[in-house]
Amino acid sequence: AQSVSQHNHHVILSEAASLELGCNYSYGGTVNLFWYVQYPGQHLQLLLKYFSGDPLVKGIKGFEAEFIKSKFSFNLRKPSVQWSDTAEYFCAVKLGNTGKLIFGQGTTLQVKP
Amino acid sequence: DTAVSQTPKYLVTQMGNDKSIKCEQNLGHDTMYWYKQDSKKFLKIMFSYNNKELIINETVPNRFSPKSPDKAHLNLHINSLELGDSAVYFCASSHSDGVNTEAFFGQGTRLTVV
Repeated sequence: AQSVSQHNHHVILSEAASLELGCNYSYGGTVNLFWYVQYPGQHLQLLLKYFSGDPLVKGIKGFEAEFIKSKFSFNLRKPSVQWSDTAEYFCAVKLGNTGKLIFGQGTTLQVKP
Repeated sequence: DTAVSQTPKYLVTQMGNDKSIKCEQNLGHDTMYWYKQDSKKFLKIMFSYNNKELIINETVPNRFSPKSPDKAHLNLHINSLELGDSAVYFCASSHSDGVNTEAFFGQGTRLTVV
């Protein structure tokens, strides 16, 4: 069955530290890849997405992600985190044209001021 | 303007009751979804409608019945609520044409069954 795995369940960083959150998926066909962020008490917001083309995609708020097809990975990075980045981060895969999103289990990021 | 809006935002109810959550989108999308986020924050799709037609129906108890009066609305009705139904329910919408589409989410409805 298709699945998405996020390696880090809970990450604690100090401000200005660099961030990398791992995401791997299991599906051999065409996928669209997403990272969503959920700030405390709020809805899911799209950080960035990969559909095709350049495997290094840039999103909002200084986030970027790299799609490595051979590794079935789509890791999220940010060179310098801020306290306001404290949130839940979800990696998601959309399979073909079904519209169905399969989410990873989420990573809680806590940034200490 | 809110793109995907859900009502209510919070819902507290007793076991055995029947309740509904409403969702509306003003993005002109033709596909809408319901996702459930459990207490461990895991998100899983429940239903998907395309132009008022059910296209995805995951393994969900038949106490849950989605209804789409038109392509801008997707409501979720839950009968005989159980404690395990407590969760945050997110509505989402997207275009269906082509592969390269993204979903937009509502603010969620936190359902607490007591």
